[in-house]
Amino acid sequence: QSALTQPASVSGSPGQSITISCTGTSSDVGGYNYVSWYQQHPGKAPKLMIYDVSKRPSGVSNRFSGSKSGNTASLTISGLQAEDEADYYCSSYTSSSSWVFGGGTKLTVL
Amino acid sequence: EVQLVQSGAEVKKPGESLKISCKGSGYSFTSYWIGWVRQMPGKGLEWMGIIYPGDSDTRYSPSFQGQVTISADKSISTAYLQWSSLKASDTAMYYCARLDARPVAGPDYWGQGTLVTVSS
Repeated sequence: QSALTQPASVSGSPGQSITISCTGTSSDVGGYNYVSWYQQHPGKAPKLMIYDVSKRPSGVSNRFSGSKSGNTASLTISGLQAEDEADYYCSSYTSSSSWVFGGGTKLTVL
Repeated sequence: EVQLVQSGAEVKKPGESLKISCKGSGYSFTSYWIGWVRQMPGKGLEWMGIIYPGDSDTRYSPSFQGQVTISADKSISTAYLQWSSLKASDTAMYYCARLDARPVAGPDYWGQGTLVTVSS
């Protein structure tokens, strides 16, 4: 199972919005509404930010939103803040009854 | 509060064996799948396998089948990842993660990670 494709890096200024894409195939992202997004600060464990494509766990800011179109899922962060600077990973359930992660995207807040 | 607490960092030599642990608390340990994820230095996340502590049903990702062993002791709410003969290429951070009550949704809580360094 190949990793999902994410841009290596994205950047934005405080207050702006950014979108991170996550492209897979019909065997993973396109075939299931089980896409999750994780935030990982340096030296820390990943934290669930979005599940089931667009749902937010309790306690996650509503500045984070998720969507999907075809084989591509997206994470949008609005009103960028300095603390949003981190690595972001997408994950999807697959037709192999497993899960696959994206390669990760480094978000820089300018 | 759901917590997954992993054992501390390890430094080992090639060929040595190792078993790292992940202790769950704040939830019914036997009712949720636990997975192990590898993160090599500067790289992304890779699924290694999962275990259901309730009955020890274990499934491995093809890349890790035969390379590691995943187990659990439900009496002490702890899952394990072990190697019989480490290689330098096993140097990585290893995370345990609890799968959602609907396992297909993926992991919801993560341990803090265990850094394994294999060097002669």
